[in-house]
Amino acid sequence: SQQGEEDPQALSIQEGENATMNCSYKTSINNLQWYRQNSGRGLVHLILIRSNEREKHSGRLRVTLDTSKKSSSLLITASRAADTASYFCATDGVWSGGSNYKLTFGKGTLLTVNP
Amino acid sequence: DAGITQSPRHKVTETGTPVTLRCHQTENHRYMYWYRQDPGHGLRLIHYSYGVKDTDKGEVSDGYSVSRSKTEDFLLTLESATSSQTSVYFCAIRNNLGGRYPNQHHNEQFFGPGTRLTVL
Repeated sequence: SQQGEEDPQALSIQEGENATMNCSYKTSINNLQWYRQNSGRGLVHLILIRSNEREKHSGRLRVTLDTSKKSSSLLITASRAADTASYFCATDGVWSGGSNYKLTFGKGTLLTVNP
Repeated sequence: DAGITQSPRHKVTETGTPVTLRCHQTENHRYMYWYRQDPGHGLRLIHYSYGVKDTDKGEVSDGYSVSRSKTEDFLLTLESATSSQTSVYFCAIRNNLGGRYPNQHHNEQFFGPGTRLTVL
């Protein structure tokens, strides 16, 4: 079963606008990550937020995490056509050490930024 | 990009034939993963490895086997390919080198370029 679920499935905006994507998950996590995938390419890590953090910034990216609601949001400010991609959240569950380190990915949000 | 390569990048095969996909990394990462990506399902974990000869199943492991005889190579084998295994396969490593690289953390994964497999 999918741990992370992104919302919306698809988002179309104009260049310069902000894009917000949401992720909900079901069980307790150690950290939550966001990845980006351009068409036909592998996923690229964008940002990681730990369970004890509430907000994190990286350039034009802002991620929030609400562990009480089991949800996260990714905000891309001043979007550009080059931001057109699919965005995935990934969660790792509470890791107690050992060998069982895995990420569970959501199905992604397809963001289209129109010039 | 953690020096991850996948081979082949594209493959077309027939139902019932064996297929092996190779993932190669150059930076001595301990954890390696195989995922498949399908429309409507996102990315799903097939198998992963936490060291040489140490592997475990993921969410969708039926019909797949893996082997890791060297740190740098993680092989995914479809013993008898079926049409349902038509997919894009991604290999990934978990960054365990921590602060060695600026702006990177433990736990993020780096992905290879993918292998597009078509089973006819």
